[in-house]
Amino acid sequence: QVQLVESGGGVVQPGRSLRLSCVASGFTFSSYGIHWVRQAPGKGLEWVAVISSDGSNEYYADSVKGRFTISRDNSKNTVYLQMNSLKTEDTAVYYCAKGRAGNYFDPWGQGTLVTVSS
Amino acid sequence: EIVLTQSPGTLSLSPGERATLSCRASQSVSTYLAWYQQKPGQAPRLLIYDASNRATGIPARFSGSGSGTDFTLSISSLEPEDFAVYYCQQRSNWPLTFGRGTKVEIK
Repeated sequence: QVQLVESGGGVVQPGRSLRLSCVASGFTFSSYGIHWVRQAPGKGLEWVAVISSDGSNEYYADSVKGRFTISRDNSKNTVYLQMNSLKTEDTAVYYCAKGRAGNYFDPWGQGTLVTVSS
Repeated sequence: EIVLTQSPGTLSLSPGERATLSCRASQSVSTYLAWYQQKPGQAPRLLIYDASNRATGIPARFSGSGSGTDFTLSISSLEPEDFAVYYCQQRSNWPLTFGRGTKVEIK
C-alpha cells in the first residue's frame, strides 16, 4: 500500500537548521509531486512546499520562501525539506503528502514534530 | 492569496443526524476544492476532491457540492467515527490554502 514516512524532526534553536526526510513506498515515486504541509500545535493546516515529479519545479509558501528548500532523490524514493534560519513560528508537525489529481494531498505521512526553541 | 472561510467553527450534533459544513472562497476556485478529515493525533485524510468526487474508500454518506466561491460538505447520517475536524483546501491558485476548519463534536 502507499506509504510515506517522515523523519528528522526534533528540538532546534532559533536560527539553526534542520533537514526532514520523507521516504515513500507502494507507488511509482518518480511519477508524482510531493508536498510538505505543517500544523502548529493546536492550529490548522498550512501548505509549505511542493516539488514536481522530476524535481524540475518547486513552489513555496511565502512564510518559508528563501529559508526552506525542497528536493528529491528518485533513486531513493525520498523527498527532503531543508529548513534554514528557523524561527519559533516554524514549530509544527510537518507532514509529507503525495500529490493527487493536481495539487491535493493523498495520502499523508504520520508527521514529524519540529520544535524551535531556545 | 485565496482565503477560505469555513463555517460554523464548531458543529454540535448527535449520531444519526445530518451535518452540513460550509467553505467560502475569497475568489472563484472553479471546482478545485477538496475536503479533509482529521482526528486527534492523526494525519488528515482526503475525503472529497474537485468539489464533489469521493476519494478512494470514502463512504457514500460523505458528499460534496458547489462551485465558484461556495462549497458544502454533507454527511448524511453521522457515525461515531465521523466526529472530527474537517478542512477545505483549494488548488486553483498558488499558494495552496486551507480553511481554518470546522469541528464536528458530539452533542
